[in-house]
Amino acid sequence: AQSVTQLGSHVSVSEGALVLLRCNYSSSVPPYLFWHVQYPNQGLQLLLKYTSAATLVKGINGFEAEFKKSETSFHLTKPSAHMSDAVEYFCALAGTASKLTFGTGTRLQVTL
Amino acid sequence: GAGVSQTPSNKVTEKGKYVELRCDPISGHTALYWYRQSLGQGPEFLIYFQGTGAADDSGLPNDRFFAVRPEGSVSTLKIQRTERGDSAVYLCASSRDRPENTGELFFGEGSRLTVL
Repeated sequence: AQSVTQLGSHVSVSEGALVLLRCNYSSSVPPYLFWHVQYPNQGLQLLLKYTSAATLVKGINGFEAEFKKSETSFHLTKPSAHMSDAVEYFCALAGTASKLTFGTGTRLQVTL
Repeated sequence: GAGVSQTPSNKVTEKGKYVELRCDPISGHTALYWYRQSLGQGPEFLIYFQGTGAADDSGLPNDRFFAVRPEGSVSTLKIQRTERGDSAVYLCASSRDRPENTGELFFGEGSRLTVL
C-alpha cells in the first residue's frame, strides 16, 4: 500500500521568511512524488514533480522540493514567503497504481 | 476547451435523490480520474478510466456510485440514493499519460455537491 503524510495541517510564517512544508511517503516501489497547490474554489495545480531524474526539483513561483530516500521525505521549501503563497498545498504519490494518492493538505498562512 | 470542464459547479439535492456530475476532459487526454474531496481533507481517489474502460474503480465507496465514459471523452459520475455523507467536492482530472509515467494530471474546478 502507498500513503502520504503531511505533517502540520496549518503552517504560519512571516512574510519574507523561509517556507517549509513537510511530506513523508510510504511506497513499496520507487515513487513519483508531486506537490500541488489549491487556490480557493479551484482545482489543483501542479507545483512540481519528482520523477527520479534529479533529487532536487524546482517548481513554479520559487518553490523547490528535495527527494530524500533515506528519510522517505519530499519536503517543499521556498526561501522567502510572499502573501500570495497563502493557500493550501497537497503532496501526492504515484506508486504501484495508475493514480495519485494525496496527503491531507497543509494550509499556509503568511503574516506581515 | 482549454482545460478540464466540470458541470454543474454547485449542486444541492435532497437525501435519496439521484445526481449526475459531468466532466469534459482536455481534448486528446486518454486518462480520466474522479476524486472526492471532503472538507479539510485531501482528494480521495474514486475511479480511473483509460479510454472508455474503467481501469481501476477501487475507490468507489459503494454500489450507489457509478461512472461511465462511453466514447472515451466526456465522463459522468452518477450517485444514486444520495446521503448526507456524500456531500463533498467532486474533482475530475485528465492526463495524456499515467502518473507513474510522469503524466501530469490537469484538474477541473470541481462540482460541489450538498445533500440536505
